[in-house]
Amino acid sequence: KAGVTQTPRYLIKTRGQQVTLSCSPISGHRSVSWYQQTPGQGLQFLFEYFSETQRNKGNFPGRFSGRQFSNSRSEMNVSTLELGDSALYLCASSLVGSSGNTIYFGEGSWLTVV
Amino acid sequence: AQSVTQLGSHVSVSEGALVLLRCNYSSSVPPYLFWYVQYPNQGLQLLLKYTTGATLVKGINGFEAEFKKSETSFHLTKPSAHMSDAAEYFCAVRGSSNTGKLIFGQGTTLQVKP
Repeated sequence: KAGVTQTPRYLIKTRGQQVTLSCSPISGHRSVSWYQQTPGQGLQFLFEYFSETQRNKGNFPGRFSGRQFSNSRSEMNVSTLELGDSALYLCASSLVGSSGNTIYFGEGSWLTVV
Repeated sequence: AQSVTQLGSHVSVSEGALVLLRCNYSSSVPPYLFWYVQYPNQGLQLLLKYTTGATLVKGINGFEAEFKKSETSFHLTKPSAHMSDAAEYFCAVRGSSNTGKLIFGQGTTLQVKP
């Protein structure tokens, strides 16, 4: 079956703009999480959505937001972009509710802010 | 709070040599532990996971890891390194089965010399 799909794969934005990234989870997966990966900070958890509700949130400013739709697809938005927002943004999906569920990652969206 | 420490940001081995990547975790609840691999310009691929049961876990590509509760460790090993193993490796912990949130170590870059 299809894996986690993220779009777009690459994008360049200007400081002050906003960006929306999209994620389609594996079919049947209801949990979607987002991570930011940078050389300096590594992999950091942004937030998790389950059944259209945010149930976990990392330590990021309010400029970072997300949502999940009824079909489990998710989007994340970053407003008022800063140079430091340049990163690889990874989406992950999983089943929840039973032990040992694997968390599957997409290929990521590379965001460059200039 | 859970945390993960990977000892050594860079590990270099010769082709055919033993690979040992170290991971120690801190968790106030029984941990779910994962190793992921990331190849250049790609997302994260699951190598193996520990949930409950057998403490020696076998994964893909000949990798395995042993969960040692007394040492709070989950080191990754492979008996014989191959050039294709060169990548970045991440250890991660999930606090419970009912969350998609992973806490990652800083990653270890594995270099394989011919």
